[in-house]
Amino acid sequence: AQSVTQLDSQVPVFEEAPVELRCNYSSSVSVYLFWYVQYPNQGLQLLLKYLSGSTLVKGINGFEAEFNKSQTSFHLRKPSVHISDTAEYFCAVSLFSGGYNKLIFGAGTRLAVHP
Amino acid sequence: EAQVTQNPRYLITVTGKKLTVTCSQNMNHEYMSWYRQDPGLGLRQIYYSMNVEVTDKGDVPEGYKVSRKEKRNFPLILESPSPNQTSLYFCASSPLPGQMNTEAFFGQGTRLTVV
Repeated sequence: AQSVTQLDSQVPVFEEAPVELRCNYSSSVSVYLFWYVQYPNQGLQLLLKYLSGSTLVKGINGFEAEFNKSQTSFHLRKPSVHISDTAEYFCAVSLFSGGYNKLIFGAGTRLAVHP
Repeated sequence: EAQVTQNPRYLITVTGKKLTVTCSQNMNHEYMSWYRQDPGLGLRQIYYSMNVEVTDKGDVPEGYKVSRKEKRNFPLILESPSPNQTSLYFCASSPLPGQMNTEAFFGQGTRLTVV
């Protein structure tokens, strides 16, 4: 079965510090990879996505992620976080299965940025 | 503005009282789906629809129904809600599977409490 594992349920960090949110997936087929962000009381917003090509993907708000096929990872990074980055972050894998496109989500990582 | 609109945003109901959560998208997307979000479990797919009159079960369909009579609307129906359906629900839409720029757009969410 395909799965997505976010290795940290919560990540506290001080403002202007770097952060890495880890994501590993299991899949025997090619996948598309996504990171979504959920701000308090809001829906999910796409941060970035990997479909093909360069393994380093840049997204909105200064975030980037690196696809590592051999380690089946897609970790999210930001060199300097702001208070406004406090949110929950979801890693997701898009699989083509049975003729349809299915998004499988990780359990989420809550990023708390402190002053 | 491209958007997915869910209503209501918040709902408290009693066990057994039928309810419907509406979802509408203005992007002419063929594919729509419903997810529930629970702490520590991420988002899990309830039902999805590939097009008008085409729906199928996701990972957690028990206790839910859907319909897709028009392309833009995809309501979620709880015929007899129970407390274990207390959750945060998201509707999402995207172009058909296989398109390179596939990206799911999410509604703002509906927080349902069943007492």
